[in-house]
Amino acid sequence: KAGVTQTPRYLIKTRGQQVTLSCSPISGHRSVSWYQQTPGQGLQFLFEYFSETQRNKGNFPGRFSGRQFSNSRSEMNVSTLELGDSALYLCASSLAPTGLNTEAFFGQGTRLTVV
Amino acid sequence: QQQVKQSPQSLIVQKGGISIINCAYENTAFDYFPWYQQFPGKGPALLIAIRPDVSEKKEGRFTISFNKSAKQFSLHIMDSQPGDSATYFCAAHTGNQFYFGTGTSLTVIP
Repeated sequence: KAGVTQTPRYLIKTRGQQVTLSCSPISGHRSVSWYQQTPGQGLQFLFEYFSETQRNKGNFPGRFSGRQFSNSRSEMNVSTLELGDSALYLCASSLAPTGLNTEAFFGQGTRLTVV
Repeated sequence: QQQVKQSPQSLIVQKGGISIINCAYENTAFDYFPWYQQFPGKGPALLIAIRPDVSEKKEGRFTISFNKSAKQFSLHIMDSQPGDSATYFCAAHTGNQFYFGTGTSLTVIP
């Protein structure tokens, strides 16, 4: 079956602009989590959605937002981009909300560069 | 504040050798500890995981050792192969969230 699909794969934006990233989870998966990956900080949790509801949010400013649609696809939006937002943004999908027995499958990520 | 501290940042091992990556944590609420493997251009993939009531888990050449009292856990890769060259992340789970280490870049030299 198809894996987690993230689009676009690469994106270059200018400081101050906004960006929307998309994630299509594995068919049947209802939970989508978003992570920011940078060389110095590793993977940092942004937020998780399950059945169109945000279940948990990491320690990121309000410029980072997301949503999930009824087909479980999720979008992440970053407004007023800053240079420090340059990172690989990863989406992970799972059958159920993040928990002990929940394996998360990651997409290949969207590489965002802010210039 | 990094909730899970991972070391070393990079590791070079000869083919056939043992690769050891270490992680430490402070939060006793962590209840599940997975390791992820990431190849360039790919997302992380679950490699092996352990719960804190178990001291060791082995799957093929990969072993997790867990020391609850020391709040440390480590990944051992036996008979390391060039195909194991990747970045490895440890993680810890509590509540609805995973916390990741900063990653170890492993290079296995033929």
